[in-house]
Amino acid sequence: DGGITQSPKYLFRKEGQNVTLSCEQNLNHDAMYWYRQDPGQGLRLIYYSQIVNDFQKGDIAEGYSVSREKKESFPLTVTSAQKNPTAFYLCASSTYLTGRNTEAFFGQGTRLTVV
Amino acid sequence: AQSVSQHNHHVILSEAASLELGCNYSYGGTVNLFWYVQYPGQHLQLLLKYFSGDPLVKGIKGFEAEFIKSKFSFNLRKPSVQWSDTAEYFCAVNGGGYGNKLVFGAGTILRVKS
Repeated sequence: DGGITQSPKYLFRKEGQNVTLSCEQNLNHDAMYWYRQDPGQGLRLIYYSQIVNDFQKGDIAEGYSVSREKKESFPLTVTSAQKNPTAFYLCASSTYLTGRNTEAFFGQGTRLTVV
Repeated sequence: AQSVSQHNHHVILSEAASLELGCNYSYGGTVNLFWYVQYPGQHLQLLLKYFSGDPLVKGIKGFEAEFIKSKFSFNLRKPSVQWSDTAEYFCAVNGGGYGNKLVFGAGTILRVKS
């Protein structure tokens, strides 16, 4: 089955530690995205990547880092510099064309809790 | 800055009531518009999308949305809601001043009473 796989589903981290969230897709999509979901704030874009080895900051990139070494993978690292990392993180992907007529597909999410 | 506004954060309806959820965006260029739904414990799913053409778009589960360019709006409607429509609904926009970013509104939590 084609889709987006995020792991783990639940993650606990101690303050001061970096943690990496995994996102893999087998949809052959060029574009991948990371969003953070907090109650009452919708989904806020952290980083996005339109092709391999290229990515751009979204609206709330501070304290996060990403890499895009392979088309199918877009891991997100939550660093100790992120002031309030406890949240639900969603990964998405879409076919990237020269136009914009594409839709995004989402993974099941990772709930990160800092303890 | 570009933004997407959803008018109500919480909506409570009885079964068979009509639904309209408001969505406005701030950029006037050519945009693509989406409504996504997140049922309790499930991942985000696409309800419907507008790219071009007929501004009245029909989606899954009896939902529809109307794009009104002059009002920068893309309101979601359903004539008669069911208990199973209880979920959180997100409006999203890309293109125009948003570039290739998909920008979401804050979401509307709909609770349907049986």
